[in-house]
Amino acid sequence: QVHLVESGGGVVQPGRSLRLSCADSGFTFSAYAIHWVRQAPGKGLEWVAVLSDDGSNEKYAESVKGRFTISRDNSKNTLYLQMNSLRPEDTAVYYCAKDTTSDGGGHGMDVWGQGTTVTVS
Amino acid sequence: EIVLTQSPATLSLSPGERATLSCRASQSVNIYLAWYHQRPGQAPRLLIYDASNRATGVPVRFSGSGSGTDFTLTISSLEPEDFAVYYCQQRSSWPITFGQGTRLEIK
Repeated sequence: QVHLVESGGGVVQPGRSLRLSCADSGFTFSAYAIHWVRQAPGKGLEWVAVLSDDGSNEKYAESVKGRFTISRDNSKNTLYLQMNSLRPEDTAVYYCAKDTTSDGGGHGMDVWGQGTTVTVS
Repeated sequence: EIVLTQSPATLSLSPGERATLSCRASQSVNIYLAWYHQRPGQAPRLLIYDASNRATGVPVRFSGSGSGTDFTLTISSLEPEDFAVYYCQQRSSWPITFGQGTRLEIK
């Protein structure tokens, strides 16, 4: 059973950094790609980044490329999102979501965390 | 990037009625389209993947159809818990994109 829990959100000034974590208490974390998806207040879903099961393949949305870095530590069943040079438009609830395959191009995101809130102000 | 346009923006129906939601892609996504719903204060939930396959545990009243650029999510008979925001999402090409959402509200 996969159960994802995000942490690390908070209030941060523009230009500063923040690192989010996504922990899985199950035993299958290392077999799947994991995405970050965000949702600005009152808005829809925006895909942010994905990392393959072994950490070898990563992809980013243009809006965060060069500023955000996704990584994982499979020994700790944890995914990270390092966010640098934060902007007010990065304010959102950030969700981690499990892909159904190992490379991120699978059949949808079938397990989601409850999200962590980032406010850039 | 592929733009997904959902219609209508808001759909007002009563419990027991049939709901039909549309998602149109700016270019072909083959069958690589998923549907989610999101209740207030909750995370999204995967309903349909690859256009027409129900995810694990999703009730049979939910069905998806379409291919290429035009897709439909149908809820055969609305239950109270179905009133939520629905999003489509494509995985045909990077970046992954979502539609802007359809709000399904109680009439």
